[in-house]
Amino acid sequence: QQQVKQSPQSLIVQKGGISIINCAYENTAFDYFPWYQQFPGKGPALLIAIRPDVSEKKEGRFTISFNKSAKQFSLHIMDSQPGDSATYFCAASIQLSKTSYDKVIFGPGTSLSVIP
Amino acid sequence: EAGVTQFPSHSVIEKGQTVTLRCDPISGHDNLYWYRRVMGKEIKFLLHFVKESKQDESGMPNNRFLAERTGGTYSTLKVQPAELEDSGVYFCASSQWAVNTEAFFGQGTRLTVV
Repeated sequence: QQQVKQSPQSLIVQKGGISIINCAYENTAFDYFPWYQQFPGKGPALLIAIRPDVSEKKEGRFTISFNKSAKQFSLHIMDSQPGDSATYFCAASIQLSKTSYDKVIFGPGTSLSVIP
Repeated sequence: EAGVTQFPSHSVIEKGQTVTLRCDPISGHDNLYWYRRVMGKEIKFLLHFVKESKQDESGMPNNRFLAERTGGTYSTLKVQPAELEDSGVYFCASSQWAVNTEAFFGQGTRLTVV
């Protein structure tokens, strides 16, 4: 129940195309869904996050779509660029208080390659 | 401002040996987290320090793993004795508040047990 599923495992997209990564969860107590971006040799870095009270959040070329009833959420990268090539992790957590969250549960990651 | 720093970047040890990983968090960050990613799998939570105290160590796999945080500054993660299944990338992260979803990650230590 604590698991976050993620697909695909790897993704190759042409420059300018749309990259789509899908995630699903079981635990309905999760109320915070961050996405992390990890470049080779670096640690993961928070990219964008969403709460289940909204169905979509957009930041630049990155958009999260959230379907609460289906317990699914996805990351869309518009106009994908070679510099977007990285590993992307979806994740879920529970906000315990105003200033604290429960442990972050990560998906297995998607390796994205954007080719020129 | 310096980020989260981990030492060493890579470590190759034989089964049965001991290895100690070190993490220097961002200065002033009371919260420090350890995570591990086994090849191709999800990043898994190991434990959470608030200053020098262990807030949550529910992710520690077994008693071969020992984490410490001396004086609430840097932290070490010791594996003794190491087993083959301990191989993976160990990440440390830190945050000012217990908002671990926004914690800053180090570059990781790649541990290979042969």
